[in-house]
Order: sequence, then structure tokens, then C-alpha cells
Amino acid sequence: DVKVTQSSRYLVKRTGEKVFLECVQDMDHENMFWYRQDPGLGLRLIYFSYDVKMKEKGDIPEGYSVSREKKERFSLILESASTNQTSMYLCASSYSVTSGDTGELFFGEGSRLTVL
Amino acid sequence: RKEVEQDPGPFNVPEGATVAFNCTYSNSASQSFFWYRQDCRKEPKLLMSVYSSGNEDGRFTAQLNRASQYISLLIRDSKLSDSATYLCGHNQGGKLIFGQGTELSVKP
Repeated sequence: DVKVTQSSRYLVKRTGEKVFLECVQDMDHENMFWYRQDPGLGLRLIYFSYDVKMKEKGDIPEGYSVSREKKERFSLILESASTNQTSMYLCASSYSVTSGDTGELFFGEGSRLTVL
Repeated sequence: RKEVEQDPGPFNVPEGATVAFNCTYSNSASQSFFWYRQDCRKEPKLLMSVYSSGNEDGRFTAQLNRASQYISLLIRDSKLSDSATYLCGHNQGGKLIFGQGTELSVKP
């Protein structure tokens, strides 16, 4: 059974704080993704990674960075949290089907971040 | 124009009804398409992949229209347990882009 685990379900941070969101998957997936989900806006891709030490910007990377030092772990970093980063953050992983394609995404349960 | 657009709903239907959702996409180079289901306060999970020939899984039918750049999901004989948000997505160069989701509420 595929398991994607996000370290924190709920976080409350202050403006300007550095925030780390951790994600671990146990299925040896090549691809990992970070999305944020907001009412009326759906899931928006922040960053993704095809392999260790590799990262690609998604549609809304501003204000975020990522780290993938090990295949199973993909971290999302908010260098200086702002109130507009209050959101639900979802991590996902998948196999590579073919070059440029991805298989089914398996999501973690989400991390709800509130920035005051 | 958003890359993937869905009618957010909510769609309120009685049990047993047939309901259809459409999802339009703007990138004609999109390679593959999906429908995900998300229950309240839960993570999204894959419902169906969408193939060019269309595919069916029980009460659910998904179709792709490349010429008009939309995908559709048809749910027949709706059940109370079908109440959820349905997200369409397409694969573009290895990243999966989603619409904003369509909320379905099936009432007794």
C-alpha cells in the first residue's frame, strides 16, 4: 500500500518565520510534487522533482523553495512566511511511466498552514 | 484563460440521477488526462484515467474530445456516497495540472 506521509497536519506560524514542510514516500517513486489547495482555485503546482537533487518550478513557485536530498523525501521551504501563504499544502508522488509522463499521483493527507 | 477549467458547482442532484461534468483544457499538447475524487477534508485519489477511446468503470464513464479540448465524466444512478469534489487533470510534460474541482452533492 502506497504511503505518502506529511510530517505536520496543522501548523501555525508568524509572518517572517521560516517554515519547513516535510514529505516522505515509501514506494520508491521517482516523481514528487508539492501543491497548494485554496477554495475556488483548486490544486496549484508549486514545485516538482523527477529525481534526487533535481527540481522544477511549477505554476506558483514564488516565495517557496524545495529540497530533495534523498529519493523518498521532498521538502517544501517557505523562507519568510507571509499571510497569503496560509493554505492547505499537499505532497504527492508517482512513478515515471515514460519520459515526460507520470503515472497515478498518490497524495499525502495534507498540511494546513496558517500564517498570522 | 486558465489552463484547466471546470464548473465549480455545486451540483445538487437526487439519488439515482445521472450527472455529467465537463472540463476544458487549453494546451493541445496535453498527453494524458485524469479524473480524481476528493472527499471532504481528505486527499485526492485517482478515480479514472481518460483514454482517447473513452473508458467506463461501472457507473462512471469518462470521455476525451481532443478536437474541442475537453474531457467529461458521466455518473449514472448517483449514490449518496458519490458526494465529493471531482478534479480533472492533464499531464503536461510530466507535471499534472488540475482544474479547480466540481462539487457534487447527492441528496436522498
